[in-house]
Amino acid sequence: AQSVTQPDIHITVSEGASLELRCNYSYGATPYLFWYVQSPGQGLQLLLKYFSGDTLVQGIKGFEAEFKRSQSSFNLRKPSVHWSDAAEYFCAVGAGSSGDKLTFGTGTRLAVRP
Amino acid sequence: GAVVSQHPSRVICKSGTSVKIECRSLDFQATTMFWYRQFPKQSLMLMATSNEGSKATYEQGVEKDKFLINHASLTLSTLTVTSAHPEDSSFYICSAEDRDQPQHFGDGTRLSIL
Repeated sequence: AQSVTQPDIHITVSEGASLELRCNYSYGATPYLFWYVQSPGQGLQLLLKYFSGDTLVQGIKGFEAEFKRSQSSFNLRKPSVHWSDAAEYFCAVGAGSSGDKLTFGTGTRLAVRP
Repeated sequence: GAVVSQHPSRVICKSGTSVKIECRSLDFQATTMFWYRQFPKQSLMLMATSNEGSKATYEQGVEKDKFLINHASLTLSTLTVTSAHPEDSSFYICSAEDRDQPQHFGDGTRLSIL
């Protein structure tokens, strides 16, 4: 069974500082990996996805993530955090690009210090 | 593109009432729609997967007679919580995808049963 672990429940960073959110997955084949962001009381917005090819993927809002098969990781990064980035971030894994269910991690809540 | 509209955004009703939530893909045809439930400060738990014109596939532990899902067209899926009770209070989120795009999420419905 597929699973996702986000080890950090809460992270606080100062505005302008760099950010890395950790995600580890467990999946028997080549995974399809996603990062979503959720603002309070809202749905989820896709930040980026990895299906195949270049292991460093660029997303919206200046985010990027790197797929490391040897470490079963797909960490999310941003070089300089903005106050508007404060939200809940979810990593997810799926078996296919479409038509297959996603398994979500428990989320990491990001707070941004002025 | 890939906008998913969910309605209503908030529902407050008495115990025993049935509540219908709509999920629409506005600018694409959704081959598959998903319904999730999210408890406060927790991750999304998949309830069911629905494909247009066929019966929904429910996850283990989800009562299909309690949570009725209808996917009558390629742009509309509905979730009906029948005879809702306070323990059904939660945040319900739908997502939709087509063959070429990953899941896009609605903004969610906050259901409160008094």
